[in-house]
Amino acid sequence: GAVVSQHPSRVICKSGTSVKIECRSLDFQATTMFWYRQFPKQSLMLMATSNEGSKATYEQGVEKDKFLINHASLTLSTLTVTSAHPEDSSFYICSARGGSGVYTGELFFGEGSRLTVL
Amino acid sequence: EDQVTQSPEALRLQEGESSSLNCSYTVSGLRGLFWYRQDPGKGPEFLFTLYSAGEEKEKERLKATLTKKESFLHITAPKPEDSATYLCAVQANGNNDMRFGAGTRLTVKP
Repeated sequence: GAVVSQHPSRVICKSGTSVKIECRSLDFQATTMFWYRQFPKQSLMLMATSNEGSKATYEQGVEKDKFLINHASLTLSTLTVTSAHPEDSSFYICSARGGSGVYTGELFFGEGSRLTVL
Repeated sequence: EDQVTQSPEALRLQEGESSSLNCSYTVSGLRGLFWYRQDPGKGPEFLFTLYSAGEEKEKERLKATLTKKESFLHITAPKPEDSATYLCAVQANGNNDMRFGAGTRLTVKP
């Protein structure tokens, strides 16, 4: 399957600072990537769809000015949590579909990034 | 609105004790139903895609089946290393993203 790499895997920051998380497709090009958020013992909640070369599409209730998404190339999408607060502490996971050209549907996920805001 | 409900929330099995996990869904035109395995602190790992009712797929001790309303993940003679959270997700026709269920936390005791 396609490989998606996410960095950093863990980050601890002070309240009010900004944190950037990178998501890379290693062996394929991804015109679309998806950012999910997961609270403990809960499911993955879609935050936004990241489109290469255009603005991200945010789900209802997700603040686009707080969660900045940039998809500047076909292999890299970044999520920046701006002015982070303790309630932003969560597990953030990115995903993309493989680039074989044949639709099979499945998403391939990065390893996730655990954000802790003190 | 698309909905995915998984049951049970948690399941504890003895090694070798077969069982099934359920995923009920409502979607406006199913494009695909997906099963993933997620270990603690990791991203989900893809297991299966099912596209239409009656379809079945197998991988080692796992077998996924699909009807028009639900999917089952059957685990035959599980081992402790099968312990994980199993997630079900659906993609609707015309949509690019997936909606996930809350998952079933499976624990297999030796």
